[in-house]
Amino acid sequence: NAGVTQTPKFRILKIGQSMTLQCTQDMNHNYMYWYRQDPGMGLKLIYYSVGAGITDKGEVPNGYNVSRSTTEDFPLRLELAAPSQTSVYFCASSRPRNEQYFGPGTRLTVT
Amino acid sequence: EDKVVQSPLSLVVHEGDTVTLNCSYEVTNFRSLLWYKQEKKAPTFLFMLTSSGIEKKSGRLSSILDKKELFSILNITATQTGDSAVYLCAVWGNDMRFGAGTRLTVKP
Repeated sequence: NAGVTQTPKFRILKIGQSMTLQCTQDMNHNYMYWYRQDPGMGLKLIYYSVGAGITDKGEVPNGYNVSRSTTEDFPLRLELAAPSQTSVYFCASSRPRNEQYFGPGTRLTVT
Repeated sequence: EDKVVQSPLSLVVHEGDTVTLNCSYEVTNFRSLLWYKQEKKAPTFLFMLTSSGIEKKSGRLSSILDKKELFSILNITATQTGDSAVYLCAVWGNDMRFGAGTRLTVKP
């Protein structure tokens, strides 16, 4: 099992550009999540999904969009990137309200 | 608003010391509290607690939850340099909230 995989590992964006962060899990977990982690801070939930076709906003959803067309994939879309979106992004998956398995993270810089 | 508060924010100890990390929470529809260890990369799971007063233990680490007083503690005994990390507390309520973490440094 690969677990949770994320691509890319690093990315530099210019202000106003858009991009999609990819996340895939092979554990057949229903729940998937996107977090951002700013330096020296804990994780903040951006969006989560409890199953294919269902997504919900977390604590900091503004500036992001998600979709969940399959159990395995949960891409995160950034539209019109801003410097405030410079962060490390983690994708995770779990069984319902259980321990989460995290991907390796994507380090994004917006300049 | 739901919140999870960890203390202290940072801690420096010497090998062999015992440490206690704190996590207090105010969330709607509490379901569970989880502890994670984060070294340089992604968090890794330590414990999940759902019931008050039942200690979870793994080697030198243990944790307990008090649902009446809305807090949990994570204890690490006989600390080693490999315990140096950020320890994150997270609470499942209506969604998942993380605390800011406690950065533990264990000196030889």
